[in-house]
Amino acid sequence: DGGITQSPKYLFRKEGQNVTLSCEQNLNHDAMYWYRQDPGQGLRLIYYSQIVNDFQKGDIAEGYSVSREKKESFPLTVTSAQKNPTAFYLCASSRDRGNSPLHFGNGTRLTVT
Amino acid sequence: KNQVEQSPQSLIILEGKNCTLQCNYTVSPFSNLRWYKQDTGRGPVSLTIMTFSENTKSNGRYTATLDADTKQSSLHITASQLSDSASYICVVSPPSDRGSTLGRLYFGRGTQLTVWP
Repeated sequence: DGGITQSPKYLFRKEGQNVTLSCEQNLNHDAMYWYRQDPGQGLRLIYYSQIVNDFQKGDIAEGYSVSREKKESFPLTVTSAQKNPTAFYLCASSRDRGNSPLHFGNGTRLTVT
Repeated sequence: KNQVEQSPQSLIILEGKNCTLQCNYTVSPFSNLRWYKQDTGRGPVSLTIMTFSENTKSNGRYTATLDADTKQSSLHITASQLSDSASYICVVSPPSDRGSTLGRLYFGRGTQLTVWP
């Protein structure tokens, strides 16, 4: 079945360490996205990518970095510069920029202590 | 300022009852509005999409309505089931012009629905 796979489901890190969240899709979608979800808040866009080797900052990109070396993969690195990294991270993809829905992975819950 | 407001923040209903969730938005211009269902600990899943010219759209027991004049949408759930317990998120999209706004979606904070047996 086609879909988006995020791994791991839970991730624990010490403050000051960088950590990379994996996102893989086999839907053949061009566009991919990273969102952050905090309790009581709407999803906030971190980064998005329209095509391979290209990506754009979203609303809260500071302290994060991404790469898009393959169409299927869009990993997110949470760096030590991110002031409040503990959150639920969602990766998504879409076919195009029109009315296509976002297809989400099941998220990675990152806890930094 | 472009915003999406959902109400109520949380709702508890008994199994078998109906309920209606509200979404008010100020996003302009507007292309489409989509409702997502998000189970706890999982990613959101699209339920319905409505363009500005549509008033009503159904997906099984879910019926979405849209009033583009008042910038209001509702999601009506009929004969609720325990599996309907989830967060329901309203997402508004501006027009996707060439070279812009691919990443620009406006998310509501969601309504947390709990269905009790």
